Amino acid sequence: DVKVTQSSRYLVKRTGEKVFLECVQDMDHENMFWYRQDPGLGLRLIYFSYDVKMKEKGDIPEGYSVSREKKERFSLILESASTNQTSMYLCASNRGTSGNTIYFGEGSWLTVV
Amino acid sequence: AQKVTQAQTEISVVEKEDVTLDCVYETRDTTYYLFWYKQPPSGELVFLIRRNSFDEQNEISGRYSWNFQKSTSSFNFTITASQVVDSAVYFCALSEAGYGNKLVFGAGTILRVKS
Repeated sequence: DVKVTQSSRYLVKRTGEKVFLECVQDMDHENMFWYRQDPGLGLRLIYFSYDVKMKEKGDIPEGYSVSREKKERFSLILESASTNQTSMYLCASNRGTSGNTIYFGEGSWLTVV
Repeated sequence: AQKVTQAQTEISVVEKEDVTLDCVYETRDTTYYLFWYKQPPSGELVFLIRRNSFDEQNEISGRYSWNFQKSTSSFNFTITASQVVDSAVYFCALSEAGYGNKLVFGAGTILRVKS
């Protein structure tokens, strides 16, 4: 079975803090993704990576950055957390070939106070 | 631009009723992929089905069935004889070939099945 693991399930951070959300996949997938989920908006793509050290902006990259130093690990960074970044964050991965199923982690619930 | 619309925000049914979740998509590509995911209260998105644009054959898996119609750009999902365990948020999603495998999601439909 594909396993996508997100390091933190629930986090509470203060405004202005730097926040790291970590994600690891164990299936040697080329692509990794970070999505944000908000009620009524579905999932929106923040960033994705198609190879080590490669990244591309998604639909809502503002206020976020990412790091992919190893194939299995993809980190989402909030440089200075703000209350409007309170949300559910979902990491995902899949093989590089077009149309392959994307597998998701359990999600990280981030509250910024 | 690609877009997915799930017009039903929330549906409530009584156990054993059949329920259909609607999904309408927009894309300019001729090659694309459609997905349904289930998100139970635990939060993890569970993959249900993947369909490519060249395969319009309907699919049935147990109590689940999917109706793909390119003529109306729809990919609807039906649960037959619903059960309380079907209560979840269901997402329809679209991926265009050559678009980096990124998924564009609909807003989701909350399904509540009451006993």
